[in-house]
Formats: sequence, structure tokens, C-alpha cells
Amino acid sequence: GIQVEQSPPDLILQEGANSTLRCNFSDSVNNLQWFHQNPWGQLINLFYIPSGTKQNGRLSATTVATERYSLLYISSSQTTDSGVYFCAVEPRVDSNYQLIWGAGTKLIIKP
Amino acid sequence: DAGITQSPRHKVTETGTPVTLRCHQTENHRYMYWYRQDPGHGLRLIHYSYGVKDTDKGEVSDGYSVSRSKTEDFLLTLESATSSQTSVYFCAISVPPGGYTFGSGTRLTVV
Repeated sequence: GIQVEQSPPDLILQEGANSTLRCNFSDSVNNLQWFHQNPWGQLINLFYIPSGTKQNGRLSATTVATERYSLLYISSSQTTDSGVYFCAVEPRVDSNYQLIWGAGTKLIIKP
Repeated sequence: DAGITQSPRHKVTETGTPVTLRCHQTENHRYMYWYRQDPGHGLRLIHYSYGVKDTDKGEVSDGYSVSRSKTEDFLLTLESATSSQTSVYFCAISVPPGGYTFGSGTRLTVV
């Protein structure tokens, strides 16, 4: 089945810094999403981005489907950005919209 | 959480006992999912449903069963709980394309 790899696994930054998180996937996908899991365990959908670039405030994401990767950019980090960021993909074949998840990038923003 | 509630939020149970987790949605969506989350892993799909009485297995379905007798309720049952099923369980709904919403999770401990 499709493999989803995220890097780096851990990232520690000072408040105000910028960061780039990467997601590589091994096969064609119908859908790619980025999620944030906050320190209380809640999962929030950040972007639905099967291709192209989207921006939402300080966050933006780019997916290059032909090269099978996606990037999540966080600018001017705040402590509330801490948590785990997951990339999840919907395989192109027979998926029933189910998602295959990467292991996540754990981000810690220090004040 | 956009009309999804999971119950219970926390449960401790003994090995060998049956356990049922409930997911309730108020938005009449067709697709519902049960995932588990373990340390060092992204979410892994247990079972999913694409309509009343229509369910299918996911990646880690062994030891679990599901039922969906009404659109709004999706039940996950551990027939005989084992310590390896200690995990956090998330229910989700999907509104294609790309609208994925999660419940708040159920933390299950099997002792």
C-alpha cells in the first residue's frame, strides 16, 4: 500500500521563527490533507490540498503531486502552534475516502 | 467538533471484557470512520462505514467489530479487550472532497 513519510520527526523552535514540514508519499493520491493535533489531543483540519498552493494566515501549504510531496510552512511561529502536524493522503484507488497517515512532525515552540 | 461526539471520553477496562465505543453525528453524513492512535504512529484505520449497515475493514481491524444501524451512530466493539488495544480512538466523518472532521477521542486503557 501507499507509504507516507514526514520529516523532520521533531522540531524545536523559538517563538517568531519560520518552519517547513515535509510530507512524501509513494503513489498517486486523490487527496492530501494536513492536520494539527494540539497538546490536548484535538485534531484540526488545516488544509485540503491535493495539488497547488493554499494559504491561511501564517500557514501555507504546497503540494507537487507529480513529484509526490507536500510542504507545510509556518511563519512567525507562536507557542499555540505547538503540537503534532500530520499529513494524510487518500489513495487514488478504491479508497472510500479513507486516509493513510504519516507518523507526524512534533513541533515545540518555545517562548 | 462540527457535530461529532464520542462516548465515553475515558475508559479503563479489564482484559477479556467486551467494550463498546460510540460515535454520534448530527449532520447526516454518509461516511464515518474509526481510527486508533498509538505513540509514534499516525492514525490507523480500524473500520469504516459508507452507509447504514454498510461497513468495511481497515488496516487494523482484527479484534474489532462495528455496527451502523442508524445514519447518526457508528459503534465500535472490542469483543474481548486485550492490552494491545490500549489506545486513543478517534471517530471521523468525511464530507467529500476533503472535509474531514474528528471527534474528541476516547482514551481506552485495558488492564
